[in-house]
Amino acid sequence: EAQVTQNPRYLITVTGKKLTVTCSQNMNHEYMSWYRQDPGLGLRQIYYSMNVEVTDKGDVPEGYKVSRKEKRNFPLILESPSPNQTSLYFCASSLFAGRTEAFFGQGTRLTVV
Amino acid sequence: KQEVTQIPAALSVPEGENLVLNCSFTDSAIYNLQWFRQDPGKGLTSLLLIQSSQREQTSGRLNASLDKSSGRSTLYIAASQPGDSATYLCAVIGVDNSGNTPLVFGKGTRLSVIA
Repeated sequence: EAQVTQNPRYLITVTGKKLTVTCSQNMNHEYMSWYRQDPGLGLRQIYYSMNVEVTDKGDVPEGYKVSRKEKRNFPLILESPSPNQTSLYFCASSLFAGRTEAFFGQGTRLTVV
Repeated sequence: KQEVTQIPAALSVPEGENLVLNCSFTDSAIYNLQWFRQDPGKGLTSLLLIQSSQREQTSGRLNASLDKSSGRSTLYIAASQPGDSATYLCAVIGVDNSGNTPLVFGKGTRLSVIA
C-alpha cells in the first residue's frame, strides 16, 4: 500500500531533550516536506527536500533540522525542543515538486513540557 | 504572498443535503489545487487534485471546480452523510521566489452532518 509513515504518533518530552520524528514514503517520491499545524494558524511548511541531499527552509524553520540521505526517508530533528514547538506535525511527499498530488502521513502530536 | 481563505469556517447540515464549500486564493499563478479531509486527531486524506489547466474534477459524490482567473474553487458534496463530518482543507500549490512549491493551506471548513 502506498503510504507516508511517521513515527511516533504521540510524543511527550521535556525542554532541551533532543528528539527525532521519522518519516518514510514507499512511492519513490522526489519531493518531501514537513508541516506543523497549530490552532488558528493552520498548516505551515517547516522544511522541504527536492531530492536526496537537497533540503531547504520553509516558512517556519527555526529550531528544526532535517536530512535526506535516502530518497524514502526524511527525518525531522529538534535539537533542543521548547514548549513553543508543541504542535501537530505532518510529513508529506509528492512525486515531483508542484504538479503532482501530495500525500500526508498520519501526523505526530508533540508536547514539550 | 499567497493567501487562502475558506468560507464558511463551520457548517452544520442535515443528512441528505447537497452542500458547497468555498475556497479563494490571492495569487492565480498556481500549479494546482488540492482538497483534503481531516478527521479529528488524524492525518490529511487527499480528496481531489485539480491541475491549473482543468476546470473541475469528480470523485464519487464529490465535485471540485477551479476558476483560476478569479482565484476561486468550490467543493460540492452531494447527498451528505454523517460520515462526511470532518474538516475540509483547501491547498494551492504555486512557486515561491526560491523555486519551492509549498502547499499553502486555508484554515478549513468544519462540517457536521446531522443524522
